[in-house]
Amino acid sequence: NAGVTQTPKFQVLKTGQSMTLQCAQDMNHNSMYWYRQDPGMGLRLIYYSASEGTTDKGEVPNGYNVSRLNKREFSLRLESAAPSQTSVYFCASSDLAGSSYEQYFGPGTRLTVT
Amino acid sequence: GQSLEQPSEVTAVEGAIVQINCTYQTSGFYGLSWYQQHDGGAPTFLSYNALDGLEEKGRFSSFLSRSDSYGYLLLQELQMKDSASYFCAVRWAAGNKLTFGGGTRVLVKP
Repeated sequence: NAGVTQTPKFQVLKTGQSMTLQCAQDMNHNSMYWYRQDPGMGLRLIYYSASEGTTDKGEVPNGYNVSRLNKREFSLRLESAAPSQTSVYFCASSDLAGSSYEQYFGPGTRLTVT
Repeated sequence: GQSLEQPSEVTAVEGAIVQINCTYQTSGFYGLSWYQQHDGGAPTFLSYNALDGLEEKGRFSSFLSRSDSYGYLLLQELQMKDSASYFCAVRWAAGNKLTFGGGTRVLVKP
């Protein structure tokens, strides 16, 4: 049981390049999330998927797109990277059936845009 | 929108008690969560309060007052491994969307 996995762990991009961050979970959770965390700050929600086939914008969606490929996988795409997108990106998943509403986080992708 | 306030840093010695306060303003409120994050690591869930009162989980307890839009995380019998950042997060929709505070860095000294 790996929980939430993310690839890659580190990435350096040049301004204008594109890339896709991959996320998968093996806990059979319906909901998945993408966050970004800038140094010394809290997490900000980029996009959210309540269930397979649905996605919704979070606080900071500009410059990003997402795909909920199936129940396990939720990818985040940067079409044209900008230095302002330098951050640590976390994917998370949760199951609303419980009462704790715990979100399980992946290890993160550290992205630098030069 | 949603906004949360928590202190940026707290320092304490091993064995001490630390209380991290969190005040929030939100258009909808379903509950308040707490997460711990060690440097370079991922956030991990500590607690969730939907109703007023104190929830105790071992050395960590969390409190919520909905009428005051206020909660706190209490860390007792501090250990060196408790040095980390702690985030409060408001669940503000019927799904599980969270808005996080800026985090409180707790430094435990010997």
